[in-house]
Amino acid sequence: DTAVSQTPKYLVTQMGNDKSIKCEQNLGHDTMYWYKQDSKKFLKIMFSYNNKELIINETVPNRFSPKSPDKAHLNLHINSLELGDSAVYFCASSHRDGRYEQYFGPGTRLTVT
Amino acid sequence: EDQVTQSPEALRLQEGESSSLNCSYTVSGLRGLFWYRQDPGKGPEFLFTLYSAGEEKEKERLKATLTKKESFLHITAPKPEDSATYLCAVLRIDYKLSFGAGTTVTVRA
Repeated sequence: DTAVSQTPKYLVTQMGNDKSIKCEQNLGHDTMYWYKQDSKKFLKIMFSYNNKELIINETVPNRFSPKSPDKAHLNLHINSLELGDSAVYFCASSHRDGRYEQYFGPGTRLTVT
Repeated sequence: EDQVTQSPEALRLQEGESSSLNCSYTVSGLRGLFWYRQDPGKGPEFLFTLYSAGEEKEKERLKATLTKKESFLHITAPKPEDSATYLCAVLRIDYKLSFGAGTTVTVRA
């Protein structure tokens, strides 16, 4: 009965590679998010989709491209990985209206060598 | 620009020693303020939502309060299992959620 799931949990790759992280939620939410948590544990929003439409797009390199095939899924594709991309990436979901609390996945630890 | 500042950065408590965590914020248009708990290697776990000044929420040994400029998370008679990082976040009118840096609480038996 996992609410927000992410795969993979760990991702180790070399600079220059392209990788994807997948996220799925079974909470019936209409909005999904990607966050980055850096080495100082600071959580920062990257993207948000509402009903498959991009509604938040923070200042993120265009090597990062989110894709939402449906309301329950939001994937993150990263091209030409750099050392600075190493971090933990969290997916989250919420309702857009009424109850706003966001529920987070377990995170994907990305290490770029 | 929005600011969410949490203090202290770290808090070490003896089991049963009550204390409070502070979250001060400046935001243009507040929809709500959230408290989360994060354990090492895990995602943030939702605790409370506060929508307006004067509102209070309670859950077991935790109580959250909200004023127009800050929120407090009170931990009453903490136990070792309350050890975690507690995150405060503010939701703006445009649905953007901004997090504070967190307070790491360690409760010793």
